[in-house]
Amino acid sequence: GAVVSQHPSWVICKSGTSVKIECRSLDFQATTMFWYRQFPKQSLMLMATSNEGSKATYEQGVEKDKFLINHASLTLSTLTVTSAHPEDSSFYICSARVPTERGYTFGSGTRLTVV
Amino acid sequence: GDSVTQMEGPVTLSEEAFLTINCTYTATGYPSLFWYVQYPGEGLQLLLKATKADDKGSNKGFEATYRKETTSFHLEKGSVQVSDSAVYFCALSGFNDYKLSFGAGTTVTVRA
Repeated sequence: GAVVSQHPSWVICKSGTSVKIECRSLDFQATTMFWYRQFPKQSLMLMATSNEGSKATYEQGVEKDKFLINHASLTLSTLTVTSAHPEDSSFYICSARVPTERGYTFGSGTRLTVV
Repeated sequence: GDSVTQMEGPVTLSEEAFLTINCTYTATGYPSLFWYVQYPGEGLQLLLKATKADDKGSNKGFEATYRKETTSFHLEKGSVQVSDSAVYFCALSGFNDYKLSFGAGTTVTVRA
C-alpha cells in the first residue's frame, strides 16, 4: 500500500531556532498532504492542507509565519517550525491523500521538544 | 460542518472480551468513514474503511458497518488481544472535501 515516510521521528531544539520536518510519499504521487498536531491524550488537530505547487491552506488559528509549509514536488512536503518556543512542543503528523485507494496514509509522526 | 462523535474512553477489557466503540457522524452528502489505530509514540494506521452506505469494513478481526439511517460506524471485535491495546480514532472525509475530521479517540487497554 501507499507509504509516507516522515523524518525525523524526534527532535530536540533550543528556543528560538527553527526545525524542519519532512514528509515523503514513497510509492505514489501525493498532490495533497495534510499536517496535524497532536497534544498528549488528545485527537489530531489539522493545521494545514498543502497542495503541490501552490500555497498551503491553513486552519483558523494556525500561524502561517510560524508554521511554514512547502510542497514543492509531488513526493515531498515540509513543515518548518520557525523561532520555536516550548509551547510548540508537540507531536506532529503528516498525512497524504491516496486517490487510488480513496483514503489517506499517515507518517509515523515527529516528537518535537523545544527547550 | 462535518463532525464525528466518538465514545469516550478509556476502555479496559480482559483478553477475549468483546469490544465495541461507538461512532456517529454529522455530514452532508455521502462521506467516507474510517477507523484508525494509533500505538504509543507512532502515527496512525488505517484499520478499516467504508465508502458507501451498508458497506462493511473489516480487518484483523475488527468490523464496522456504514449505517446511513443511524449515521453510525461502530467498531467491533469479538475477541480482543493484549496487542489490540491502542488508541482508536473514528474519522470522516466529506464528499466534496478531502479533509479528515477525527473523533476524540478512545484509549483501549486489554489486560491478560
